[in-house]
Order: sequence, then structure tokens, then C-alpha cells
Amino acid sequence: EDKVVQSPLSLVVHEGDTVTLNCSYEVTNFRSLLWYKQEKKAPTFLFMLTSSGIEKKSGRLSSILDKKELFSILNITATQTGDSAVYLCAVAHQAGTALIFGKGTTLSVSS
Amino acid sequence: SAVISQKPSRDICQRGTSLTIQCQVDSQVTMMFWYRQQPGQSLTLIATANQGSEATYESGFVIDKFPISRPNLTFSTLTVSNMSPEDSSIYLCSVEDRPAQYFGPGTRLLVL
Repeated sequence: EDKVVQSPLSLVVHEGDTVTLNCSYEVTNFRSLLWYKQEKKAPTFLFMLTSSGIEKKSGRLSSILDKKELFSILNITATQTGDSAVYLCAVAHQAGTALIFGKGTTLSVSS
Repeated sequence: SAVISQKPSRDICQRGTSLTIQCQVDSQVTMMFWYRQQPGQSLTLIATANQGSEATYESGFVIDKFPISRPNLTFSTLTVSNMSPEDSSIYLCSVEDRPAQYFGPGTRLLVL
């Protein structure tokens, strides 16, 4: 059975801290891994990863994929209160099919 | 990326009634997906909607409860039928706009 596991489930940090969120997966015919940020209702797209070892970066956020060990990490440096959200990891296993989501990591950044 | 809108944004409904949620995309897309997110849970796929064919439902979801229409390549509706409090959730439509999938703003439903 396909599954995506995220850890930790929740995390509380202070502004300025660096955090690492984890995502491991077991999916047949892996195509890509995606990270989303969910603040209210709609998940907003952050990154899509398809190749091992190639870091994707956007401002203070970065992510990398290890297809051999079947996991990905999402790093957030110099966290801000606006980073408080649920971060969702999802995996696609072939074109045109829906995503398989993990349970998410709830990040709370205090000032 | 595709721009997706949903209506209504939120609603409060009485048990036993039905609600139809609309999803509109600003470009033509082959596949649209409907997800449900129950309180404190992650996203669960309800069904995949292709234009011109019947929707494909995931295990645990049936057409009588969640009928879906897909009349063209930019629009879809999901109806939540004969609602109960357990249907209180956020309902999200999503489209694949290569290379990623994008989500609409969601419909927050509360059933009393």
C-alpha cells in the first residue's frame, strides 16, 4: 500500500530558528514529491522534486530528495511568525493521478 | 500555474440536505481532482473527474453520496448529498498543471 509519512507531526520554535521537516515514502512507480504550505484552507505549492540530490530553493526555504533512501526534507531558515502553517508532503506515482498526502507537520513559530 | 476558483467559500447546512460545490479553472485541463480534509486530518482523495467520462471514485466514496459533473475542460461540480455532521470538512478541487498540482481555495462545510 502506498504511504507517505511525515515527521514530526508538530513543532514549536522561536523566530530565527532553523527547522527541518521530514517526509518518507513508499510509493509504486514514483514520479515526483511535492511540498505544500497550508495556512487556512488551500494548500499552496512550494516545491516539486523529481531527481535525487538536487536542492530546490526559494528564499529561506529549501528542499532535497533522496530517491535511494525514499525521503525528502524541507528546511526553513531564520523562521518568521508567517511561516506558521501546516506543511504537507505529497507524492505522485504517475502522470494524471492524484497525490498521496502525508498527515502534515504543524509548525508554530513564536515571536 | 492554473488559477482555480471555488464556490461557495463556506456554508452551514442542515443534515439531510445537499450542497453543490463549483470549481472553475482559467485554462483547459484534462483531469480534475476532488479532495476532502476532515478536521485535523490530511487530504483524502474523493474522486478524479475527466471530461466526457464518469468520475472515478476512491474506496469509501460512492457516486450516490458524492455525484460529480464535468461538463467541459474548465469546470466541475461536486455535490455532497444527504449530509450528516460527519461530512463537515474542507472540500478542495485540484488540477494538474504540469509539472505540479494546484488547489482551489476550498469550501469549508459545516453540517448541523
